[in-house]
Amino acid sequence: GAVVSQHPSRVICKSGTSVKIECRSLDFQATTMFWYRQFPKQSLMLMATSNEGSKATYEQGVEKDKFLINHASLTLSTLTVTSAHPEDSSFYICSATGQVFSYEQYFGPGTRLTVT
Amino acid sequence: DAKTTQPPSMDCAEGRAANLPCNHSTISGNEYVYWYRQIHSQGPQYIIHGLKNNETNEMASLIITEDRKSSTLILPHATLRDTAVYYCIVRALNDYKLSFGAGTTVTVRA
Repeated sequence: GAVVSQHPSRVICKSGTSVKIECRSLDFQATTMFWYRQFPKQSLMLMATSNEGSKATYEQGVEKDKFLINHASLTLSTLTVTSAHPEDSSFYICSATGQVFSYEQYFGPGTRLTVT
Repeated sequence: DAKTTQPPSMDCAEGRAANLPCNHSTISGNEYVYWYRQIHSQGPQYIIHGLKNNETNEMASLIITEDRKSSTLILPHATLRDTAVYYCIVRALNDYKLSFGAGTTVTVRA
């Protein structure tokens, strides 16, 4: 089966700093990766879709200059939260899909971000 | 705009079958029914999907009504590890996006 990893699993940062989260597809080439955000007791909300080698497509209301997404290779996408504030504290989850799995999405374990 | 409707919560007894309903009355002909679950503080896990025929795999069975307006996910022998939020999602095969609703919080009790 498809395995997607995220690093780090938990991160605490100070307000105003930036934090990078990595998402890797370990055993397949992911042509498309997705980034979701989940606040406590809420469902997953899609933030952006990234295709390898091209700019990410952001959902309405998601600031592209604040949430920088890079999908430089077929196995790695990164989400950088710039100038983080306490309201950015959330559970960030990535997923990956590729032709080999008929474009089914496989999810990473998530990253818990706490901004103090 | 939610394309599926699920009960917010349900309890079931360990070892018994858990039947999770989902209404999708506006489903289009090219849309599949997908089920995912999310155990607390983990990423979602794919369970099963189907178009119109009933489907079964090692995790669950999916029963889709003939008019495709509703479906039921069946966990045949629920265990405590099946406690999770279960999401029913409809999507076309060539539509990569998944829209998660509120899901059903399933609590399996000993």
